[in-house]
Amino acid sequence: KNEVEQSPQNLTAQEGEFITINCSYSVGISALHWLQQHPGGGIVSLFMLSSGKKKHGRLIATINIQEKHSSLHITASHPRDSAVYICAVLSNGGSQGNLIFGKGTKLSVKP
Amino acid sequence: ETGVTQSPTHLIKTRGQQVTLRCSSQSGHNTVSWYQQALGQGPQFIFQYYREEENGRGNFPPRFSGLQFPNYSSELNVNALELDDSALYLCASSLDRATIYFGEGSWLTVV
Repeated sequence: KNEVEQSPQNLTAQEGEFITINCSYSVGISALHWLQQHPGGGIVSLFMLSSGKKKHGRLIATINIQEKHSSLHITASHPRDSAVYICAVLSNGGSQGNLIFGKGTKLSVKP
Repeated sequence: ETGVTQSPTHLIKTRGQQVTLRCSSQSGHNTVSWYQQALGQGPQFIFQYYREEENGRGNFPPRFSGLQFPNYSSELNVNALELDDSALYLCASSLDRATIYFGEGSWLTVV
C-alpha cells in the first residue's frame, strides 16, 4: 500500500464546475504540498500546508492532521486548470526535499 | 518561471552508458533535491544536497550519485544505465520546507 493515496486517479469536468481532489496518507508528517504538473513535465508548487486551510485565487487546500487527509478544491474550473495534481508529504524528521508523492490526479476540464 | 533550470531537456542513452544531468538552482537556495518520475507514476526521491553534502537519500543504488557546487548548481550522475532508468528526472531547490521550486525536468530514454 502506498504511503500517499490520491483519488480520483482521473477526473473530467465541465468548465465552471467545482472540483475536489483528495489525498490520504499513512505516515506522520510535518508538511504537505499540493503540486501541479503540466504535460511538459515541469512541476509548480501550489500550497504547503501544516494545518488548517489556505486559499489562493480559485484554489483552496485543506488538511486534517488527525484524519491524515487533505483536499484540494478548484472553484469555477477552467480548461487551463487541466493538469496532473500531485499530493506530496514531508514525513516527520525527513529532510525538506525528502517528499513522498502520490501518483497524481489527472484533471481534464472541457470547455 | 521557477528559476530552476535543467539540462538537457531530452536525451537518449544506451544501456550500460553513463549520464550526467544538470540543474541550476533558484538563487540563494542552498538545498537541492533530485527525483525520478517513471511514466504514470509520482516522483520518487533520489537524494538531497545541502551545502555541497548529501544529507538525505531515497531507495536508489549507489550508481546514482550527485554533486552540488559552491554556486548551488547540481549534477545527477547515473552509471551503468539500465532500461528501467528511463524516466523524467526532476530537480528542485528550496530554502526551507515551505517553498520548493522544481525545474522542467530531463527526459531520459535508455535503449
